[in-house]
Amino acid sequence: QVQLVESGGGVVQPGRSLRLSCAVSGFSLSDYAMHWVRQAPGKGLEWVTILSHVGINKYSIESVRGRFSVSRDISKSTLYLQMDSLTTDDSAVYFCARGGGGSYFDLWGQGTLVTVSS
Amino acid sequence: DIQMTQSPSTLSAYVGDTVTIACRASQTISAWLAWYQQRPRKAPKLLIYKASMLESGVPERFSASGSGTEFTLTISGLQPEDFAMYYCQQYNDYPYTFGQGTRLEIK
Repeated sequence: QVQLVESGGGVVQPGRSLRLSCAVSGFSLSDYAMHWVRQAPGKGLEWVTILSHVGINKYSIESVRGRFSVSRDISKSTLYLQMDSLTTDDSAVYFCARGGGGSYFDLWGQGTLVTVSS
Repeated sequence: DIQMTQSPSTLSAYVGDTVTIACRASQTISAWLAWYQQRPRKAPKLLIYKASMLESGVPERFSASGSGTEFTLTISGLQPEDFAMYYCQQYNDYPYTFGQGTRLEIK
């Protein structure tokens, strides 16, 4: 079954770190670009970052650059988002998504909620 | 960054109606545009890619067109499950960006 399952969300204080995981099944991470997209409560979708199919973190949005990094463990079929120096503006549901040709997002996880609060 | 602007922000319609949602890009994006549906508390679902290509498994009442800077998504014969949020997304250039969303409400 082709699916993505995120985990690792929770409540964290400003300035702290959190690592999200996205376990994939039914395909190999080495065959697809993978993305993180977030959605603040009651707001729209915001694309965050991409990991290319060869494992390069090609681009991140300016607001997270230098604080967030994306990586993967192919043997574990897991994508990660390391989030450092978190701020309240980072509070959101974080989705991992598989990149289709281009890249649009043809497969999404269910999302994991990150709340940054003191 | 490429700005994506959807209109209207909210759309009210009856079951069985045909509706159209517009999406405008701040600069040309060729046909590198996707459309997504998001139901409450669910992940987005891909409907359309490359401006007009219907994703596998998506009902044929969904159609889309456009290129350059102007795009539309049309839903013909609205079904109860179609009442949701709709987003366009450009993937012509980084950072990939979404429209602000259109809420399709049942009248």
